[in-house]
Amino acid sequence: QSALTQPASVSGSPGQSISISCTGTSSDVGGYNFVSWYQQHPGKAPKLMIYEVNNRPSGVSNRFSGSKSGNTASLTISGLRAEDEADYYCSSYRSTNTGVFGGGTKLTVL
Amino acid sequence: EVQLLESGGGLVQPGGSLRLSCAASGFRFSSYAMTWVRQAPGKGLEWVSAISATGGDTPYADSVKGRFTISRDNSRNTLYLQMNSLRAEDMAVYYCAKGGIRFLDYWGQGTLVTVSS
Repeated sequence: QSALTQPASVSGSPGQSISISCTGTSSDVGGYNFVSWYQQHPGKAPKLMIYEVNNRPSGVSNRFSGSKSGNTASLTISGLRAEDEADYYCSSYRSTNTGVFGGGTKLTVL
Repeated sequence: EVQLLESGGGLVQPGGSLRLSCAASGFRFSSYAMTWVRQAPGKGLEWVSAISATGGDTPYADSVKGRFTISRDNSRNTLYLQMNSLRAEDMAVYYCAKGGIRFLDYWGQGTLVTVSS
């Protein structure tokens, strides 16, 4: 069960926009609209930021948005803030009726 | 307020067993699927297993299939993970989370499982 592919790290300056990609296959990301994104600060539990590709839970800033094209999903954060610095993980439903996470991306706010 | 409180972690020898619990409150536990996710020290998240609201559907990751068993007691609002034949690679923080395979909207703070002789 291979993990979804994410870049190991991305960075941006305050106020800029960044995107994090999440590449899978037609058996997971490409086959279903069940991609979610999680933010994790050091020593803390993950927090849901986006579900079902592009939906934001109540309380999550509209600076966070999600999209998908083919087998690749993306998380975009606009108007970067220092508090956005964290690890980000994508996740998808898989055709084997299991879940799968990406390897994680460390976001650094310069 | 949704709360998930894991317990049962600790030090266990390779080949040993451990049962994790997750006490849920603040929502109708019996109406929701639940999931276990783990994170090895310094590593990423790994999906472990999920259980449907009634307990009838219990998929597992290949890495734990045949060794771990997920279950729930809806009368006690509690989720369980029975872990047998533990290996060094099972050492991780184990999180329980509300939701099924589609997305996980609330997470506990995790319980650490250490596998070492």
